[in-house]
Amino acid sequence: EVQLVESGGGLVQPGGSLRLSCAASGFTFSDYYMDWARQAPGKGLEWVARIRNKVNSYTTEYAASVKGRFTISRDDSKSSLYLQMNSLKTEDTAVYFCVILIKVLGSDIVDYWGQGTLVTVSS
Amino acid sequence: DIQMTQSPSTLSASVGDRVTITCRASQSINSRLAWYQQKPGKAPELLIYKASRLQTGVPSSFSGSESGTEFTLTISSLQPDDFATYYCLQYYNYPFTFGPGTKVDIK
Repeated sequence: EVQLVESGGGLVQPGGSLRLSCAASGFTFSDYYMDWARQAPGKGLEWVARIRNKVNSYTTEYAASVKGRFTISRDDSKSSLYLQMNSLKTEDTAVYFCVILIKVLGSDIVDYWGQGTLVTVSS
Repeated sequence: DIQMTQSPSTLSASVGDRVTITCRASQSINSRLAWYQQKPGKAPELLIYKASRLQTGVPSSFSGSESGTEFTLTISSLQPDDFATYYCLQYYNYPFTFGPGTKVDIK
């Protein structure tokens, strides 16, 4: 069974930093692209970042709203995904989800989301 | 960036109603359009991918269609479990973009 478990959320002051982690299990983590998405309280969903697998050189993509401030990374030996968030703004307050987003697996599609971790940016 | 608009923002309906939600992309997205259902306090769940393909395990009352850059999610007969918020997502170009959502509530 696929499990994605986020951790590392909490309260941080504007301008501060936070590192989110996602522990993955139940699948061959190293084969998969991984994503972060977020949802501000009472608002819609926003895709944040993607990291590809080793075969694709671990290349990354970012939403414009976080580019230059957030860094997505992974440790395949630990089946873990990370999101380093720097220069945090109040508008970064959200639940952050670790996601396997619409992956083709043979003749099937898999799509998994963690339960999310809340980041609150406030003074 | 590709902009996604979604309508209506809120929809009040009754059990058994046929419900239609529309999403429009600001440019061609080559059918790379997904629909998600989200309930309060829960993670989103994939319903439809590639505009019209039903995800495994999703009831056949859900269907998706496309016409150019306009995409439609249809629920043929609304069930109590279907009251939720629905989002479209384009995954053709980076950055991926979600529509603003449609909340389906009880009339």
